[in-house]
Amino acid sequence: QSVLTQPPSMSAAPGQKVTISCSGSSSNIGSNYVSWYQKLPETAPKLLIYENNKRPSGIPDRFSGSKSATSATLGITGLQTGDEADYYCGTWDDSLSAGVFGGGTKLTVL
Amino acid sequence: EVQVVESGGGLVQPGGSLRLSCAISGFIFNNYAVTWVRQAPEKGLEWVLSISNTDVTYYGESVKGRFTISRDKSKNTLHLQMNILRVEDTALYYCVLGGIGIHGLDPWGQGTLVAVSS
Repeated sequence: QSVLTQPPSMSAAPGQKVTISCSGSSSNIGSNYVSWYQKLPETAPKLLIYENNKRPSGIPDRFSGSKSATSATLGITGLQTGDEADYYCGTWDDSLSAGVFGGGTKLTVL
Repeated sequence: EVQVVESGGGLVQPGGSLRLSCAISGFIFNNYAVTWVRQAPEKGLEWVLSISNTDVTYYGESVKGRFTISRDKSKNTLHLQMNILRVEDTALYYCVLGGIGIHGLDPWGQGTLVAVSS
């Protein structure tokens, strides 16, 4: 069981929008920045969002992040087949004094 | 351009030891946190441990007491000493710049595979 809870899978059609949720607690999401990662098969994870809602250079604005209390959300608009991947949220947990990831969400673009 | 390159993975028997290295170039990494993340076969990402910019170390429960991280500042290299390895430590191990709760983890190395099996 992961400390952060994500839906195991989601699907949407090309061109549509999807939002992936990440639920935690006051000791992790509630008191630390959240980041999001895209994991494609056979490749290293890629940082999509950091500090809750900032995009690194090179990440298109189709990707967005938000945080409210103890939950965070990754939004992807204008879905493309290349967006099919596993998505993970991550943050620090003050109670554990350790980093934590969500269990991951497998996104299928039908 | 910052580059992260892991090395040292391999096959080891349960109870054995392995030392991974993470070489970082194009960046003065002494002032930044570095994190190790692993992914077991068919599993999700797992935060393993990190070393802060002031060399404070943090370990996940699953590796505490068995893994040790250290920084060789003269060589811009990080070392991960893994002892008393278990079958469940089998995974692809990634070295990545940053602290997960601060500025996010980026960039990532390509990973090095550790297989623990008899």
